[in-house]
Amino acid sequence: GIQVEQSPPDLILQEGANSTLRCNFSDSVNNLQWFHQNPWGQLINLFYIPSGTKQNGRLSATTVATERYSLLYISSSQTTDSGVYFCAVGAGGFKTIFGAGTRLFVKA
Amino acid sequence: KAGVTQTPRYLIKTRGQQVTLSCSPISGHRSVSWYQQTPGQGLQFLFEYFSETQRNKGNFPGRFSGRQFSNSRSEMNVSTLELGDSALYLCASFALGGNEQFFGPGTRLTVL
Repeated sequence: GIQVEQSPPDLILQEGANSTLRCNFSDSVNNLQWFHQNPWGQLINLFYIPSGTKQNGRLSATTVATERYSLLYISSSQTTDSGVYFCAVGAGGFKTIFGAGTRLFVKA
Repeated sequence: KAGVTQTPRYLIKTRGQQVTLSCSPISGHRSVSWYQQTPGQGLQFLFEYFSETQRNKGNFPGRFSGRQFSNSRSEMNVSTLELGDSALYLCASFALGGNEQFFGPGTRLTVL
């Protein structure tokens, strides 16, 4: 089955810094989403981005489907950005595979 | 529009018992997926339902089962609970023809 790898596994930033999170997947996918999991466990939708580039405020994402990777950019990070970021891909047959996540901590 | 709701939010059971979790999708969404999240295994797909039919199933033992009702609400059941079933169980829904999933707040199950 499809493998999803996220890097880095952990990231510590000073408030105001920028960062790039990466998601590699091993096969063609028909959808890809980025989520932020808050400390209470809620998965919050960031982007639905099977291909192309999208921006939402300080966050933006790019997926290059032909090269099987996606990037999530966080600019001017804030302490509220802390949490775990997941990449999830659609593997066909209505099954979604999640990466292991990137745990981000933003220091004030 | 209300989001995905899950009940109960927290649950404590003992080994050998069974448990039923409930998920109500976003109004108009007919597909519901279930996931288990544990520190060791991460987020793993359990099963997905559409129009009361299970369309896909993850690699979980038969103790894990689910169903979907005609109003798209879904339940999952875990029988003969084991300590390793302690986890956050998440439910997601998406619209017909769509691929973007929206998650509920989860049910945190503790098995003692």
